[in-house]
Formats: sequence, structure tokens, C-alpha cells
Amino acid sequence: AQSVAQPEDQVNVAEGNPLTVKCTYSVSGNPYLFWYVQYPNRGLQFLLKYITGDNLVKGSYGFEAEFNKSQTSFHLKKPSALVSDSALYFCAVRDKGTYKYIFGTGTRLKVLA
Amino acid sequence: GAGVSQSPSNKVTEKGKDVELRCDPISGHTALYWYRQSLGQGLEFLIYFQGNSAPDKSGLPSDRFSAERTGGSVSTLTIQRTQQEDSAVYLCASSLIGLAGGTSYEQYFGPGTRLTVT
Repeated sequence: AQSVAQPEDQVNVAEGNPLTVKCTYSVSGNPYLFWYVQYPNRGLQFLLKYITGDNLVKGSYGFEAEFNKSQTSFHLKKPSALVSDSALYFCAVRDKGTYKYIFGTGTRLKVLA
Repeated sequence: GAGVSQSPSNKVTEKGKDVELRCDPISGHTALYWYRQSLGQGLEFLIYFQGNSAPDKSGLPSDRFSAERTGGSVSTLTIQRTQQEDSAVYLCASSLIGLAGGTSYEQYFGPGTRLTVT
């Protein structure tokens, strides 16, 4: 069965430092991978996706993610964190053969001033 | 353009009562999804609709939960005989799935309905 894992419940990083939020997946076939962000008391917002093509995908707010097929990972990265990046981040994968999506449990990112 | 809207934003109900939650997707989006998010938790898939196909109800936790989508647009999630464990934020999302191409895959979420069962 398709699945996605976010191994860290929380990530703390100092403002200005690079950040990484981890995601690994288990799917058969080619994965369709997504990152979403949820700011406090708001719905989820789409950040970026990998469908095919270049392994490094760029998204909103300066975020990027690298698709690594051998490590079955799709980690979210940003070169320089902002306090305003503090939020809950979700990784998701498309369930093969459907338009249903499986979400990870979320990682809370806290950027410290 | 308008995003996904949900109503009400907050709902407090007594245990045993029925509730209806409404979702208005982005115009032209063919797929509509309902999720449940308990406090500080991840997203739990409930149901999705795609065009005129039969909905995928595989995530509905019990037969007290049902949903319909009228005219390929607005959707209503109904919870009958609510229980305290139903308390959560219910999120709706829509996406564009083009049968002849143009599928974007990413989902656009509404702000959610916070349901509290007392």
C-alpha cells in the first residue's frame, strides 16, 4: 500500500539558517509528491509538487524539494529560514491509479528569531 | 478568483444531533475531497468525488457519515447522531482533473469547519 512518512514531529531552526523537513514515501510505480503548509487557524496551502522531470523542484515562498528515487525521499528545503515560515508542513503522495492522496502526519517547523 | 469556501466556520452541537457541513469548490474543479483533522494531527481522508463517477467513500469512519455533491459543484458532509469523537476540523479541497489533459493534481483547501460536539 502507498504510504508517506514524516519522521520528525517538530523541527527547530534559527532564523537565517537553512532548513530541511523530511519526507519519505513508499509507492509502487512513479510517485506524485506534494508539500503543503498550514499556518495557524488556516487551511492548507499548496507549496510544490513533483510529477516528473527535474529532481529539484521549486515552489512558493522560496521553498524547494529534492526528489531522490534511490532513497525514496522528497525533503523540503529552504536556504534561509524566516520566522514567518513557522507552520505545520505536510507531505503527500498520490495513491496509485486514483486521484486520492495520502498525507503524512505533519511536521511542525519553528523558526527562532 | 474565489477559492474554496466552507460553512459554517465553527459549529457547536450537542451529542446525538445531526450536522451538515458545506463546501463550495473552485469553479470548474472536477474533484472534491473531504478530510478530517483532529487537534494537532494529520489529515484523515474521508471521501472524494470526481466528475460523474461514483464517489470513493473508503475513508468514511462509520455509516453515520455521508456526503453528496449536487450538480458537480457544492458538497455537503452530513454527520448523524454526532459523538464527541467527531470533534475535529473538517477540511474540504478541490482540484482540477482534466479527462482530456490539463490535470494540475494539487489540491486547493478551504479554511475548514471546526466542529465541537458537547
